[in-house]
Amino acid sequence: DIQMTQSPSSLSASIGDRVTITCQASQDISDYLNWYQQKPGKAPKLLIYDASNLEAGVPSRFTGSGSGTDFTLTISRLQAEDIATYYCQQYDNLPYTFGQGTKLEIK
Amino acid sequence: EVQLVESGGGLVQPGRSLRLSCTASGFRFGEYAMIWVRQAPGKGLEWVGFIRSRTYGETTEYAASVKGRFTMSRDDSKRIAYLQMNSLKTEDTAVYYCTRDQRFGPTVGAMDVWGQGTTVTVSS
Repeated sequence: DIQMTQSPSSLSASIGDRVTITCQASQDISDYLNWYQQKPGKAPKLLIYDASNLEAGVPSRFTGSGSGTDFTLTISRLQAEDIATYYCQQYDNLPYTFGQGTKLEIK
Repeated sequence: EVQLVESGGGLVQPGRSLRLSCTASGFRFGEYAMIWVRQAPGKGLEWVGFIRSRTYGETTEYAASVKGRFTMSRDDSKRIAYLQMNSLKTEDTAVYYCTRDQRFGPTVGAMDVWGQGTTVTVSS
């Protein structure tokens, strides 16, 4: 199975900060990588697909980059409503696997 | 409005069975693969498996942790996806989400529509 490792596991940042979350795959997954946002008590929401494509309706302050084994989710200017846990997910190989999540909090 | 609604969760004893349903609305259900994801209490997301559309043979794939115990099916005429869960274990306790594959085709990728989830508790 492909292991997806996110860092950091938790992150505290201030409103307006630039925030970066990384996701590393245990083997090359090309760009078969998605990012999800999950707010407390809610279902996850797709943010980025195929590593760098913004899902419709997602604010442009979210960007994804990377290919191969190393990927990044960036929030250009943190807003209060971005407080959530973020997950990466690979779909290059079965079984599809998620990272362990990054919990983002306001400082 | 594009929507998925899960039902069928509840409390069940170890070794028993449960069937979850996922009712779709607002899109051409039959054209999409449907994916199940679960989340144990306080834990991260775990991919459970998916069922492709009829165009791609309604083929299924499962996580090793559920293979042989869980079965996915679909009834396109009713716009419902099912997750039949047999021989349940305490470690199957989780919120189960039904999701939609983002695009058509044999490759199942991003999950762009999610249900609200249904809670399954396996306990004696």
